[in-house]
Amino acid sequence: DTGVSQDPRHKITKRGQNVTFRCDPISEHNRLYWYRQTLGQGPEFLTYFQNEAQLEKSRLLSDRFSAERPKGSFSTLEIQRTEQGDSAMYLCASSLDGRYGYTFGSGTRLTVV
Amino acid sequence: EDKVVQSPLSLVVHEGDTVTLNCSYEVTNFRSLLWYKQEKKAPTFLFMLTSSGIEKKSGRLSSILDKKELFSILNITATQTGDSAIYLCAEFGNEKLTFGTGTRLTIIP
Repeated sequence: DTGVSQDPRHKITKRGQNVTFRCDPISEHNRLYWYRQTLGQGPEFLTYFQNEAQLEKSRLLSDRFSAERPKGSFSTLEIQRTEQGDSAMYLCASSLDGRYGYTFGSGTRLTVV
Repeated sequence: EDKVVQSPLSLVVHEGDTVTLNCSYEVTNFRSLLWYKQEKKAPTFLFMLTSSGIEKKSGRLSSILDKKELFSILNITATQTGDSAIYLCAEFGNEKLTFGTGTRLTIIP
């Protein structure tokens, strides 16, 4: 499979628990982005990496959120002490320098109960 | 802060009709304007526009960018039920995509 893979596809968690999502980008893509999408809204930028360096973080990304891309390949997004407001679709996208469009993964749908 | 506004928010038409979706933007460091189709899951790429006035076409879909007036349109002719989806417009500037809220298009058979 040469697309962007995200795991898990769905996650239901209790408020206060920690969750971690994984994204495997297209192998030759050096940029990896995380977005969050809630119902009726377009995706909102969270953070992006160029290779292993995290170059920008949105103000939406509170202290409870952390993302890593340790070897410049896959990335993880962790949410600590989840809140109901964290319920959303978390989308990962990858790109080659941002020049030729972005390929999105199928997303991880998080439900915090 | 970069901003992308899409209109209409929702559109319902009959199969065979032609639709035009609108996208306006206010951005710094504009590089390109992208259109995506989103059904149940991930947005799928349709077009990337960087130059004004040059129409891009793919089958029944076409799109054009006006960099002077800061807007783009997406046209779909002879609509089919499979075109029912949310259509997202996004601008790429400042090294990231900024999306509009999308237009929800529903095609009635």
